[in-house]
Amino acid sequence: SYELTQPLSVSVALGQTARITCGGNNIGSKNVHWYQQKPGQAPVLVIYRDSNRPSGIPERFSGSNSGNTATLTISRAQAGDEADYYCQVWDSSTASYVFGAGTKVTVL
Amino acid sequence: QVTLKESGPVLVKPTETLTLTCTVSGFPLSNGRVGVSWIRQPPGKALEWLAHIFSNDEKSYSTSLKSRLTISKDTSKSQVVLTMTNMDPVDTATYYCARLDEWLAFDYWGQGTLVTVSS
Repeated sequence: SYELTQPLSVSVALGQTARITCGGNNIGSKNVHWYQQKPGQAPVLVIYRDSNRPSGIPERFSGSNSGNTATLTISRAQAGDEADYYCQVWDSSTASYVFGAGTKVTVL
Repeated sequence: QVTLKESGPVLVKPTETLTLTCTVSGFPLSNGRVGVSWIRQPPGKALEWLAHIFSNDEKSYSTSLKSRLTISKDTSKSQVVLTMTNMDPVDTATYYCARLDEWLAFDYWGQGTLVTVSS
């Protein structure tokens, strides 16, 4: 089955840029989606199809995907960006939806 | 306005069958390219996709849990139902339903319902 690898945690200084990676075999050939989950809340879609932002998501959130790594970038990080972030893809070989293990982002 | 809401028991005993209902509004279950999935999250752990049903009634299941899961929908009630048999304490989790969009991303989520498996 297809596996996605994310770092356990990422720390970023207030106002700086955080980059969260999602690794997978030839992930660049797949559509990658990113979710933000704050404690006690349901996940929220922040990036779909590698680099697209749903309505209402700040421009500070951006995404890229190439080769074996997809990246979610949070620019000008704010305290309110502290959350767990999950990447997700569709695995056609098993007809299943796969999530990464999640990355906890801390804003210092 | 798209909304999804999960309902079901908060506590089930080991070996029992869990039945969860997702009531949706703001989009039809009967047509379009979207569908509804069930996703769960054990306390402090990652999201795990369980099952999906499309508007044409096509279904798909997690490979590891397929033998225990059944997903169905009642279009007239705007509901998607998940049953999971032979519940075990390791199945304790918050269970979410979520809408799948045309890009195979989950664009709307329910609030989730915490199910505890304990005798």
